[in-house]
Amino acid sequence: SQQGEEDPQALSIQEGENATMNCSYKTSINNLQWYRQNSGRGLVHLILIRSNEREKHSGRLRVTLDTSKKSSSLLITASRAADTASYFCATGNTGFQKLVFGTGTRLLVSP
Amino acid sequence: GAVVSQHPSWVICKSGTSVKIECRSLDFQATTMFWYRQFPKQSLMLMATSNEGSKATYEQGVEKDKFLINHASLTLSTLTVTSAHPEDSSFYICSAFLAGGNNEQFFGPGTRLTVL
Repeated sequence: SQQGEEDPQALSIQEGENATMNCSYKTSINNLQWYRQNSGRGLVHLILIRSNEREKHSGRLRVTLDTSKKSSSLLITASRAADTASYFCATGNTGFQKLVFGTGTRLLVSP
Repeated sequence: GAVVSQHPSWVICKSGTSVKIECRSLDFQATTMFWYRQFPKQSLMLMATSNEGSKATYEQGVEKDKFLINHASLTLSTLTVTSAHPEDSSFYICSAFLAGGNNEQFFGPGTRLTVL
């Protein structure tokens, strides 16, 4: 399977704490994207990082990419209860952007 | 951002019947759309790539005759689950590819299919 692996599978933290999720993938990529999915809903695109980038920020999100290790991390700072969701990384190739999704991390942020 | 809709949002059907799910890009044209399936607490698995005006490209292990895809216009792709069985019960999500810029995919809200 070409699917990426994410860890942890589940993460439970308190509001205000930081949450870090990791993603590893297997093949060369053009970019890596992170998505959020609330239970039973569609995906919300969070951030895209290109293969020639090492770090990217968006609000409370910080994404790193290490292509030598084929891994990425998503850091959510000062988490809120509303951040409770599943988070998926997805790797994209060139052209038509066929995405391969990771296994996902279920984040629970308690008030 | 670009908006993608799916219809219906949920459907319950009897075993042996066929179900059609629509995926529409509301404010942009998409020559390429993708169909994913997601089982409970699992990740999204790509089923097929839908190309406007041509045949869909199916991933390994996905039955073409069971999951019929039609992409007749630049804003609409349909997935028909033929002769549905309980094991086809799943969450089906489509995405539409917007070329240019970041070459992003925009995802629909998903369709929950339950086959009795």
